[in-house]
Amino acid sequence: GENVEQHPSTLSVQEGDSAVIKCTYSDSASNYFPWYKQELGKRPQLIIDIRSNVGEKKDQRIAVTLNKTAKHFSLHITETQPEDSAVYFCAAKGGNTPLVFGKGTRLSVIA
Amino acid sequence: NAGVTQTPKFRVLKTGQSMTLLCAQDMNHEYMYWYRQDPGMGLRLIHYSVGEGTTAKGEVPDGYNVSRLKKQNFLLGLESAAPSQTSVYFCASSYGGTSYEQYFGPGTRLTVT
Repeated sequence: GENVEQHPSTLSVQEGDSAVIKCTYSDSASNYFPWYKQELGKRPQLIIDIRSNVGEKKDQRIAVTLNKTAKHFSLHITETQPEDSAVYFCAAKGGNTPLVFGKGTRLSVIA
Repeated sequence: NAGVTQTPKFRVLKTGQSMTLLCAQDMNHEYMYWYRQDPGMGLRLIHYSVGEGTTAKGEVPDGYNVSRLKKQNFLLGLESAAPSQTSVYFCASSYGGTSYEQYFGPGTRLTVT
C-alpha cells in the first residue's frame, strides 16, 4: 500500500521568512496530494491540494509543487506570519484507495 | 449547515468498557471515515465507508467496529476498551467520485484508564 514520508517533523522560522515542508510517496498510481493545517486543539482543514496532471499550484502565500518522477511533493509558505503556526499534514491518494497521511510537521513562526 | 459533528467531545472509559462514537454529516456526502490521531503518528485510518450500508477496514482496524445504517451517520464502536485506544478520534466525510476533499469533525478525546 501507499506510504507517505514527511520532513521535517518540526520547523521554526522567523516571521517573514519562507517555510518548506517535503513529502515523498511510494505508490506511483497516486494522483491526489492534499495538504491539511491543524491548529492546536482544532480539526484538520484543507489548505491546498494538487492532482497528478499539474506540476504546481499557488494560492496567495502558499504553493504546492509535485514531481511525479521523483514521487515527491512540497508545501511552500512565503512571508510567514504567526498565524501560520500549526501542524501541517501531507497526504496521498491513488485510484480507489483511501488517503494516506504523513506524520505531520509542527511549524513555529517566531515573531 | 453544521458540516461534520461528533458526539461526545470527551470521554473517559475504564479498561474493558464499551462505547460508541457518533459521527453525523449534513452535506450529503457518500464517503465517511474514522481516524485516530496520536502524538507523532499523524492521522491513521481505522475504518471507512463508501456509501450507506458499506464499511471497509483501514490501516488500524483491530479493536474497533463500525456501522453505516444511514447515509448521514457513521458509528465507531469499541467493544472492550484498552489503554492503547487512548487517542483523539476524528471523523471525516467526502463527496465521493473524483471529489476527494475530506471535511473533518471537531474530534473526540478518549481516555482509557
